[in-house]
Amino acid sequence: AQRVTQPEKLLSVFKGAPVELKCNYSYSGSPELFWYVQYSRQRLQLLLRHISRESIKGFTADLNKGETSFHLKKPFAQEEDSAMYYCALRYNTDKLIFGTGTRLQVFP
Amino acid sequence: GAVVSQHPSWVICKSGTSVKIECRSLDFQATTMFWYRQFPKQSLMLMATSNEGSKATYEQGVEKDKFLINHASLTLSTLTVTSAHPEDSSFYICSARGGSGSDTQYFGPGTRLTVL
Repeated sequence: AQRVTQPEKLLSVFKGAPVELKCNYSYSGSPELFWYVQYSRQRLQLLLRHISRESIKGFTADLNKGETSFHLKKPFAQEEDSAMYYCALRYNTDKLIFGTGTRLQVFP
Repeated sequence: GAVVSQHPSWVICKSGTSVKIECRSLDFQATTMFWYRQFPKQSLMLMATSNEGSKATYEQGVEKDKFLINHASLTLSTLTVTSAHPEDSSFYICSARGGSGSDTQYFGPGTRLTVL
């Protein structure tokens, strides 16, 4: 069965420090991975997807099929990056399974 | 664009009553809507997928008679929690996916249900 694992519940860094939020997946098919972000008191929104191979708000994520990982990275964290981040895997065409989320706290 | 609303944002009800939650796509037509449930400090769990004009598809372990889903139009889906019990208390979130090849899910703000 498909599974998404985010091992860290909380990640705290200081402003300007590099950030890596880990995500590992298990899926027998061809994976399509996403990162969603939820800022305080706001709804869940798409941050980026692996297919796009783009950088959004300075964040990037590379799909590593060998390690079944899709870690989210940013070289220099900003205070406004503080939020809840969810990694998600699409399966069966249009269903999403989410990881348990990682709360990123960026201190000034 | 691509805004999804939910109503109500929170609701408190007595055990045994039914509660209806609405999910609307405000500026696009949603061919498919999804209903999720989120317990405190846990992830979103997909409950069901609904396509306009057809019966919803429920995930394993989700009681279809308990959680009634209606997707009567391309902009509205409703989730009715029937005969609610305290264990149904949770955060219910909907998402909507548009047509024309769009595969992005846009999420509503969620509805907090508390059953006394």
